[in-house]
Amino acid sequence: KQEVTQIPAALSVPEGENLVLNCSFTDSAIYNLQWFRQDPGKGLTSLLLIQSSQREQTSGRLNASLDKSSGRSTLYIAASQPGDSATYLCAVRVNSGYALNFGKGTSLLVTP
Amino acid sequence: DGGITQSPKYLFRKEGQNVTLSCEQNLNHDAMYWYRQDPGQGLRLIYYSQIVNDFQKGDIAEGYSVSREKKESFPLTVTSAQKNPTAFYLCASSIEQGSTGELFFGEGSRLTVL
Repeated sequence: KQEVTQIPAALSVPEGENLVLNCSFTDSAIYNLQWFRQDPGKGLTSLLLIQSSQREQTSGRLNASLDKSSGRSTLYIAASQPGDSATYLCAVRVNSGYALNFGKGTSLLVTP
Repeated sequence: DGGITQSPKYLFRKEGQNVTLSCEQNLNHDAMYWYRQDPGQGLRLIYYSQIVNDFQKGDIAEGYSVSREKKESFPLTVTSAQKNPTAFYLCASSIEQGSTGELFFGEGSRLTVL
């Protein structure tokens, strides 16, 4: 079974810093990888999706990379803001038609 | 607006009662999913459905039941057989054919057993 691990579990940074969130998975044969954001008591918001044939995706201040051979993905957040404070979840899909396997998330706090 | 609607947002249940959580989507998505979220546990898959009238068990299906009679609806019933039903339940959907398979989520339903 695909296992997804996110490190660190929690992170606190001052406003303006660039930061990297890490995600690792045990089986490199993936279909896609998706990064989500979750605010307290809310549902998940999709941030970026990387197909297995892609190396990275960018949206605004966010950049996600994928290295299938090493079983790793990173989410880079540039110039962090207090509004970025949330839990960030990484999820991997093994194949089309299958559900996502989630990591436990990284709780991010950006202090003013 | 297109999206996924879950109801109710909050639900309280007495032990021994069955409850049904609603999930409706107007995105014309093929597949729908139910996940359970507990503190420190991450999201765990309960059931998923790729097409109407068909669904598969996820990792923690015991004590739950679903139906998929319409493409836009995927209700989840939490039965009295579920030993620890207090949790945050999340419904999701995705296009499967000719698409990236990106998942979109509803706002969740919080179930508390009294």
